[in-house]
Amino acid sequence: EPEVTQTPSHQVTQMGQEVILRCVPISNHLYFYWYRQILGQKVEFLVSFYNNEISEKSEIFDDQFSVERPDGSNFTLKIRSTKLEDSAMYFCASSEILRGHNEQFFGPGTRLTVL
Amino acid sequence: SQQGEEDPQALSIQEGENATMNCSYKTSINNLQWYRQNSGRGLVHLILIRSNEREKHSGRLRVTLDTSKKSSSLLITASRAADTASYFCAETSGSRLTFGEGTQLTVNP
Repeated sequence: EPEVTQTPSHQVTQMGQEVILRCVPISNHLYFYWYRQILGQKVEFLVSFYNNEISEKSEIFDDQFSVERPDGSNFTLKIRSTKLEDSAMYFCASSEILRGHNEQFFGPGTRLTVL
Repeated sequence: SQQGEEDPQALSIQEGENATMNCSYKTSINNLQWYRQNSGRGLVHLILIRSNEREKHSGRLRVTLDTSKKSSSLLITASRAADTASYFCAETSGSRLTFGEGTQLTVNP
């Protein structure tokens, strides 16, 4: 069964460093998403992406964040200058819009630890 | 208060029993989805119920939706130890999912 994959599974970085989290969505899906989950908290929406541009973003997704689809398969989330509070699990998801459905399929996540 | 609030926050049952989790939401939804998350893992999509549906079944799962009360319930029948996980409802509005706090279900063998 097709699945969303994410790399790395765990990323440790120093505060102020840039990180890029990578995702390979399901191949025939058209919408891509990033969510995060701070330890012990609920999953929060960051951004959705369609047709090479951002469709929607939350208030969390500030200028420190950017997304890109650099080729036909990868979808990346870049955090320009990481802060301690960026430590979280980051989940990528993808969906195939069909008759207004928005069933999203999630990857296993990247655990980001900012020291 | 928060959107997509689940109750109870934690539920512990014996294998074979049924588990019912409830969710309330605030906005007008396109649909509502339920996800499962095993500890430290990703989210697994369980079932989607559209705003014009009242009940949906998938295997041992039964989801109901009451748009007048802005609430949904997830029933897992004949629970198994492997059902131990956190369960979240998520409102769909636009392209985003808004998740609740989740219910931690523990099924004791």
